[in-house]
Amino acid sequence: GIQVEQSPPDLILQEGANSTLRCNFSDSVNNLQWFHQNPWGQLINLFYIPSGTKQNGRLSATTVATERYSLLYISSSQTTDSGVYFCAGSPQGGSEKLVFGKGTKLTVNP
Amino acid sequence: GAGVSQTPSNKVTEKGKYVELRCDPISGHTALYWYRQSLGQGPEFLIYFQGTGAADDSGLPNDRFFAVRPEGSVSTLKIQRTERGDSAVYLCASSLLGVNEQFFGPGTRLTVL
Repeated sequence: GIQVEQSPPDLILQEGANSTLRCNFSDSVNNLQWFHQNPWGQLINLFYIPSGTKQNGRLSATTVATERYSLLYISSSQTTDSGVYFCAGSPQGGSEKLVFGKGTKLTVNP
Repeated sequence: GAGVSQTPSNKVTEKGKYVELRCDPISGHTALYWYRQSLGQGPEFLIYFQGTGAADDSGLPNDRFFAVRPEGSVSTLKIQRTERGDSAVYLCASSLLGVNEQFFGPGTRLTVL
């Protein structure tokens, strides 16, 4: 099955800093999504981004499908951005299941 | 309801007991997915339904795990003869036919003593 590698595994920032999270896939995927898991465990949808670039406020994401990676940018980070960020995708030509990476744990300090 | 709901939010049981976990998808969503998440890991796929039928059950770890969706809406994940290794957060997600963005519920935290 496909492997999903996320980097960095841990990231500590001061409030106001910018960051880039990366997600690499071992094979081509469909349905690429980025999630934020808050401290209560809820997975919150950030982006559905099989290809291209999207922006939502301080967050943006870019997927380069031909090179099998995606990037999540967080600008002017806030303490409420803390939590674990996951990317996930579905194997091409088959199931719609999502295969997740192990996540990037982000801590934003005041 | 507005989002995916799951009940119970927490379940504590004893080794060897039977448990049922329930998922209510977003109204109108035809696809429903079950995942489980262990501490420090990303969610792992278990099974998904399109309508009433299981389209992919390749993630079920063994025959103690079973899921149903008899009317194409609510789904129940059933675990027989629970083991301590089954302890995890069980997550449910749903998506609209033709639009594969998945939306997750809050999860059920299962603890097997």
